[in-house]
Formats: sequence, structure tokens, C-alpha cells
Amino acid sequence: NAGVTQTPKFQVLKTGQSMTLQCAQDMNHEYMSWYRQDPGMGLRLIHYSVGAGITDQGEVPNGYNVSRSTTEDFPLRLLSAAPSQTSVYFCASSLASGNTIYFGEGSWLTVV
Amino acid sequence: GNSVTQMEGPVTLSEEAFLTINCTYTATGYPSLFWYVQYPGEGLQLLLKATMADDKGSNKGFEATYRKETTSFHLEKGSVQVSDSAVYFCALSDWDQGGKLIFGQGTELSVKP
Repeated sequence: NAGVTQTPKFQVLKTGQSMTLQCAQDMNHEYMSWYRQDPGMGLRLIHYSVGAGITDQGEVPNGYNVSRSTTEDFPLRLLSAAPSQTSVYFCASSLASGNTIYFGEGSWLTVV
Repeated sequence: GNSVTQMEGPVTLSEEAFLTINCTYTATGYPSLFWYVQYPGEGLQLLLKATMADDKGSNKGFEATYRKETTSFHLEKGSVQVSDSAVYFCALSDWDQGGKLIFGQGTELSVKP
């Protein structure tokens, strides 16, 4: 079972570069979201989507962009990378509100 | 707003010791409560959940009871193993908030043989 798949797993960027973290799920889940994990701060929600064509901001959306053109895919774009965006990023999905949320394996991003 | 507070780590225990990791929450609605576990270098895995007051979630010897009166969801295990060494996250999901998860800061557990 593929579940939630994130790519790349590791990435180093220079300040000012842009990139896209890919996320795909094969469980036909309506809800998808992106979190970032920083030491001592748990996971914080960046953006989320309740279905194709619908996205909304989470707790820490600045510097990130998302789109949801299909049910399966939910890419996260860093428009102009900054060192403060060095973090571990997790994509997650669930069938509906209140259902179990499944996480990808994470993407380790370093901005130098 | 909604929030989750966990006891600070790291927690270091000997094998077969009793484990408690405290978790309390603040929520305006009626959230579902979760414990997730993250093993070194891996993503988060759901450990257990409870969706209403007095529910007890259990899995792999871990238990947690949804206590609405004390707004708590403490994680317990009677006898920990070295393989339980990981970071544990308490989280809540509010049905009225699109199912988004709000996490505690995580508690690192280290079990020594």
C-alpha cells in the first residue's frame, strides 16, 4: 500500500530559490494538509484542503503556496526559500473530518 | 483557540518500567484525541485515538482515556521496552475545524535496557 507519498525526502536549497514538495495519496481521501515540524514546537499546520479545488491557510502559511487540482495530489511550493523554512515537512490525508489522519514519511529541507 | 500541552521530555526509563506521558487540551468544541508516535528518522504513525468522553484508546500495550472533566488524555503503558523509544505526540482534531490536527510539542522517550 502506497498511502501518502512525499518527494523529495531530502533537499538543500539556497536562499531565494524556489521549489515544490510533492505529495500524493492513493486512498481517495478528501482532506489533505501540510505540516512543518520544528524542534520543541511539535507540528504546525501550513495549508490544508478539504477537496479538489479548495485550499485554506493553516497556522503558518507565509512563504508557502498550495493548489489542489486533483484529489490525489497536494503540492507545497516555496516561493523564495529562507533559512527560517529549514524544517521537516509532513504531508497528511484523511477520508473526512474527524477520521484518522495518515502521514507521509517526511521531507527534510535545509535552506542555506 | 484550541491547544494541546504535553509534559516536557526527554523521559528516560528502564525497560519494564511504567510509563505515563501527560497531555491536556483546550478546545471549544468536542474534539477527537490522538496519540501519534515518531520513531527516529520516520514519519508519524497513529498509535491510538478516542473520539468521545470516557472512550479508551489502546494499541500495542499503550492506553489513554478521554477525560472531559479534566480535559486530559494521558498516555500509559505498564511495561515499556527498548523498542518503544520514540517521540510521542498528543493531538486533537476538531470536527468543526475541517479535521485539522493541533499537536502538542512532543515528548521524547528513551528506554534503557
